[in-house]
Amino acid sequence: GAVVSQHPSRVICKSGTSVKIECRSLDFQATTMFWYRQFPKQSLMLMATSNEGSKATYEQGVEKDKFLINHASLTLSTLTVTSAHPEDSSFYICSAIRDAEETQYFGPGTRLLVL
Amino acid sequence: AQKVTQAQTEISVVEKEDVTLDCVYETRDTTYYLFWYKQPPSGELVFLIRRNSFDEQNEISGRYSWNFQKSTSSFNFTITASQVVDSAVYFCALSQEGSEKLVFGKGTKLTVNP
Repeated sequence: GAVVSQHPSRVICKSGTSVKIECRSLDFQATTMFWYRQFPKQSLMLMATSNEGSKATYEQGVEKDKFLINHASLTLSTLTVTSAHPEDSSFYICSAIRDAEETQYFGPGTRLLVL
Repeated sequence: AQKVTQAQTEISVVEKEDVTLDCVYETRDTTYYLFWYKQPPSGELVFLIRRNSFDEQNEISGRYSWNFQKSTSSFNFTITASQVVDSAVYFCALSQEGSEKLVFGKGTKLTVNP
């Protein structure tokens, strides 16, 4: 099957620090990856579309300077939450599309807690 | 604009009962894709099924079955003989051809009690 991993699975950091989350497609190449945010008991909110070798496309209302996305290879996308604040605490999930399949496969998610 | 509605916020059943999760969608596109994902308490979304708009055949996979009806814009999901391990939040989602973005419903939390 299509396996997507995320690291770390859980992170606690102090306010003002930056946190990097990695998303990897383990058994396939992914030209396109997505980053979502999910608040408790809510649906997924798309933050941005990450394309290998080009700039990410951010959804309306998402600060691109705060949520830095880099998709340097066909198997890795990173999301960096810069100068994190308590309101950034959330569950961040990435997904990757296996080329020609048009199906998103999701990572296990990263729980971020900013103190 | 595309929209997915999962009217059932929470459902609670007893083990071995059958349960149907409803999904109604809105789109102006003639070609689109419908999905169901399962999110257990661990948080990871598990892909269950993808259906394109030209394939209205119902599908069965073990205890899971899906009923796609374009006439009512619905893509309902039935779990037969539910088990405690089926407890999760289930999301229905929609994407249009040429766009890989998913539009999610708000999810239905299913609790299967022993």
